[in-house]
Amino acid sequence: NAGVTQTPKFQVLKTGQSMTLQCAQDMNHNSMYWYRQDPGMGLRLIYYSASEGTTDKGEVPNGYNVSRLNKREFSLRLESAAPSQTSVYFCASMDTGGYNEQFFGPGTRLTVL
Amino acid sequence: GESVGLHLPTLSVQEGDNSIINCAYSNSASDYFIWYKQESGKGPQFIIDIRSNMDKRQGQRVTVLLNKTVKHLSLQIAATQPGDSAVYFCAERGSRGNQFYFGTGTSLTVIP
Repeated sequence: NAGVTQTPKFQVLKTGQSMTLQCAQDMNHNSMYWYRQDPGMGLRLIYYSASEGTTDKGEVPNGYNVSRLNKREFSLRLESAAPSQTSVYFCASMDTGGYNEQFFGPGTRLTVL
Repeated sequence: GESVGLHLPTLSVQEGDNSIINCAYSNSASDYFIWYKQESGKGPQFIIDIRSNMDKRQGQRVTVLLNKTVKHLSLQIAATQPGDSAVYFCAERGSRGNQFYFGTGTSLTVIP
């Protein structure tokens, strides 16, 4: 099992450009998450999807959109990138019901100039 | 909303010593807590978890203690090794049951 995979690993954008971060998991998890991690700060939740076909805002959703394409894939889109969106983005997935951990991908390091 | 904080942003220990990393949480209704380890350039990895109906849980070289009275978690690492050098996060499960709230992290450096 590959676990949670993310593409790309690195990306540099100019202000105003758009891009989509891809995430896929092969653990048959219902829930998937997008976080951003800034220096000296913990992970902050951008959006999550509790199950296929549903998405909800997290703490910092402004400037982002998401799509739960199917059970495996959850993408994060920046429509018009801003320097404030320079960050490391992590995707995670989790099985639902009971007490379960979140499994994280390796991250995408995004720089917006 | 919930918030999770760590007492110390950095910690340096000698190889072979024990390490203790602390975490405070604010929501007394949180029922599940996880410690994650994040190595440089990687995503967080699960270390150990504890449910709110427990005070202590042990794993291999790691122990988590939960004090619900003062809303405090700690992670103890026995016989710390250079491979333990990383940032450690505590995470608190929110009241909805499908969200976690993460602390800012403690950077652990093991001195050989």
